[in-house]
Amino acid sequence: NAGVMQNPRHLVRRRGQEARLRCSPMKGHSHVYWYRQLPEEGLKFMVYLQKENIIDESGMPKERFSAEFPKEGPSILRIQQVVRGDSAAYFCASSPVEPVNSPLHFGNGTRLTVT
Amino acid sequence: QKEVEQNSGPLSVPEGAIASLNCTYSDRGSQSFFWYRQYSGKSPELIMSIYSNGDKEDGRFTAQLNKASQYVSLLIRDSQPSDSATYLCAVTGAGGFKTIFGAGTRLFVKA
Repeated sequence: NAGVMQNPRHLVRRRGQEARLRCSPMKGHSHVYWYRQLPEEGLKFMVYLQKENIIDESGMPKERFSAEFPKEGPSILRIQQVVRGDSAAYFCASSPVEPVNSPLHFGNGTRLTVT
Repeated sequence: QKEVEQNSGPLSVPEGAIASLNCTYSDRGSQSFFWYRQYSGKSPELIMSIYSNGDKEDGRFTAQLNKASQYVSLLIRDSQPSDSATYLCAVTGAGGFKTIFGAGTRLFVKA
């Protein structure tokens, strides 16, 4: 399966712990996007990355959240000192370099539960 | 004003009927428009993409775009119970960097 791979599928963290979510884009895709979805709500844009570059992080909370997409390996969304309000589904999506404005292909998501 | 607006629904239609889903967007420079379907507990999957004014048909689905009115719609003909899901309208702005999603419309197709 050459789709967008996210892991883990489910993640439980206690308040104050760190959560690390991983995403490997589709083969041939070099653009990665992270979205957050609260129950019964739409997808909220968080960050857009290319290899080794953050292109747009306008949707990322200013504190505790960070993202990276290193030259080698998956993209990582890191949430430090998690709080209950961070409980949500986090989706990663990828798109190719060309054509511009290609649709996004989504992974299965990581369901984060903060206890 | 929200960047991408949809009626949250739920929209309920009988099996075999046409379901009409609507979406408006605020960024006049938007270039690309998408409809995704999301089943409960699952990830969004692409149904249609449309880039120019007019209609685009794919099987039972027709997307309509009117950039002057900043309006996108999705028609589902011969609706089936398996079409019951949340439909997300998504818009990519100028520069093609960020895709913004509406809150989604829940569709129920009654057998």
